[in-house]
Amino acid sequence: GESVGLHLPTLSVQEGDNSIINCAYSNSASDYFIWYKQESGKGPQFIIDIRSNMDKRQGQRVTVLLNKTVKHLSLQIAATQPGDSAVYFCAEPRGDSNYQLIWGAGTKLIIKP
Amino acid sequence: DVKVTQSSRYLVKRTGEKVFLECVQDMDHENMFWYRQDPGLGLRLIYFSYDVKMKEKGDIPEGYSVSREKKERFSLILESASTNQTSMYLCASSFGQGAYNEQFFGPGTRLTVL
Repeated sequence: GESVGLHLPTLSVQEGDNSIINCAYSNSASDYFIWYKQESGKGPQFIIDIRSNMDKRQGQRVTVLLNKTVKHLSLQIAATQPGDSAVYFCAEPRGDSNYQLIWGAGTKLIIKP
Repeated sequence: DVKVTQSSRYLVKRTGEKVFLECVQDMDHENMFWYRQDPGLGLRLIYFSYDVKMKEKGDIPEGYSVSREKKERFSLILESASTNQTSMYLCASSFGQGAYNEQFFGPGTRLTVL
């Protein structure tokens, strides 16, 4: 069945370094992927999305890379700051629905001073 | 500034009680969602609604029901709360095709069932 999974539950990064959060998906027909950020005590917040006809998309300090060959996407955060501490989720639309998402389990990003 | 509000941040209820969780959005969004969030399991969809009085089951609807009488309000009901429904509940809203548009989330309600 469809699934979206994350390689690591927790990632510790030195402040100022770049962070890379990975996500694997199993449905090769998936055409859209989204990253959300959830800070402590808050609901998830949209960060960036990418369609399957793209390999890369850049936002402000964030880049999402999509490798359809190995069904893998990653979220790169440049010059990680304390405010980047959060749980990051990847998600994709469920194949049989225009409304439902399949969510990964989440990766907790910890910033070391 | 877009806003999704949930009626309570923390709630403690007893087994067997009927529990109402309320969600209100001020963005005139067609779609509203109720998720449950448990550590290591990501977000799991309980129910969603794409229009007033319309509802669809998500992945884990058992033990829950919903009501959407007005566009801005979506209620989650636990008919008879059980301890395994202790969780964080998140409400979200979006416009258009919900899976292909940004979902806006409320702050969540942490429910404890004793």
